[in-house]
Amino acid sequence: DAGVTQSPTHLIKTRGQQVTLRCSPKSGHDTVSWYQQALGQGPQFIFQYYEEEERQRGNFPDRFSGHQFPNYSSELNVNALLLGDSALYLCASSLVGTGSPLHFGNGTRLTVT
Amino acid sequence: GNSVTQMEGPVTLSEEAFLTINCTYTATGYPSLFWYVQYPGEGLQLLLKATKADDKGSNKGFEATYRKETTSFHLEKGSVQVSDSAVYFCALTSNSGYSTLTFGKGTMLLVSP
Repeated sequence: DAGVTQSPTHLIKTRGQQVTLRCSPKSGHDTVSWYQQALGQGPQFIFQYYEEEERQRGNFPDRFSGHQFPNYSSELNVNALLLGDSALYLCASSLVGTGSPLHFGNGTRLTVT
Repeated sequence: GNSVTQMEGPVTLSEEAFLTINCTYTATGYPSLFWYVQYPGEGLQLLLKATKADDKGSNKGFEATYRKETTSFHLEKGSVQVSDSAVYFCALTSNSGYSTLTFGKGTMLLVSP
């Protein structure tokens, strides 16, 4: 049973560029959440997708956007990259309405130079 | 809003020592509480959880009790191993049905032989 998979594992971008990160949820899960984890900090909630709609959003600017596909996989897009966007981006999946805990992927390490 | 405060690390112990990592929280309503563990280069793994006051979560020798009166969820283990070296995150989710987590900053545990 595959868990949450994320790609790529590492990425280096330049300030001002755009980036797309991808996530496949754990089999049987229908909800995907994205978190940003800066070095030495706890993860911070970016947004959550269910039924291809953004259900909830954390305190992140509009440069951060996302998408969920009919197969429940998801993308995180970040435009106009800033040095401060350098972080580990974690995807987590769950099954709505069950109270089940989140299952996390291993993350994508984004470095902005 | 919701917040989680953890003791700062690193916590350095010898093998077989007793472990306590303190966690206190601020939340509206009746949150569920979690401990996640992050090994180097990996994502987050759920260690244990408690969903209501006085519940005790336990897994792999780790325990934590949901104390509503002191708004705490301290992590304990009677005898740590070198393999327990990792970063531990305390987290909560409000029971709003959205399963979004608020994390503490994490506490690094280093166990030496």
